Amino acid sequence: EADIYQTPRYLVIGTGKKITLECSQTMGHDKMYWYQQDPGMELHLIHYSYGVNSTEKGDLSSESTVSRIRTEHFPLTLESARPSHTSQYLCASSHGHGSYEQYFGPGTRLTVT
Amino acid sequence: KNQVEQSPQSLIILEGKNCTLQCNYTVSPFSNLRWYKQDTGRGPVSLTIMTFSENTKSNGRYTATLDADTKQSSLHITASQLSDSASYICVVSDRGSTLGRLYFGRGTQLTVWP
Repeated sequence: EADIYQTPRYLVIGTGKKITLECSQTMGHDKMYWYQQDPGMELHLIHYSYGVNSTEKGDLSSESTVSRIRTEHFPLTLESARPSHTSQYLCASSHGHGSYEQYFGPGTRLTVT
Repeated sequence: KNQVEQSPQSLIILEGKNCTLQCNYTVSPFSNLRWYKQDTGRGPVSLTIMTFSENTKSNGRYTATLDADTKQSSLHITASQLSDSASYICVVSDRGSTLGRLYFGRGTQLTVWP
């Protein structure tokens, strides 16, 4: 069982609200990732981090932002949620890149009404 | 363009039966291929990882094969159980970038009926 946690698990909010999705891992991994996944579709990388104070945008353009102030914590923020942001958001971490396994959190199912 | 294609999109089998899921990829240069199991509402969990030189790898009732020449992989599930109902995702990693980017298939949704 991977020691990576996401809160909340489910979130329903109205348009225009600011939200933060939390992700924490206790494995001491330097690398952390955020993915977006729609039903029946592949995961898309939206943000990643090599370590503290390092953040990069992924393949899929996203209006969200991330921060990495502590190794174990990688929150994702949406300043003004829209219905198009409705999706599942998965956080992952790994010891390294490429051949290193990425451990996934349980995900946050976000619905914007 | 680096892609990962999985088939079938969905599959229904009876408990106790075997099944095989397919994955074709065009990712290059190839680093490794993983099969993940994703239960509904959960994050993916790794089942197997295979590198270029490996042809077969087993994890309990799961056996993955890799043909790096034809760029094909399969996941064989033996004596299926109700708990095998999940989405099975093929993930290929390249070694052409610093990130070691992962390319995800859309998954095969497996349903096991009693």
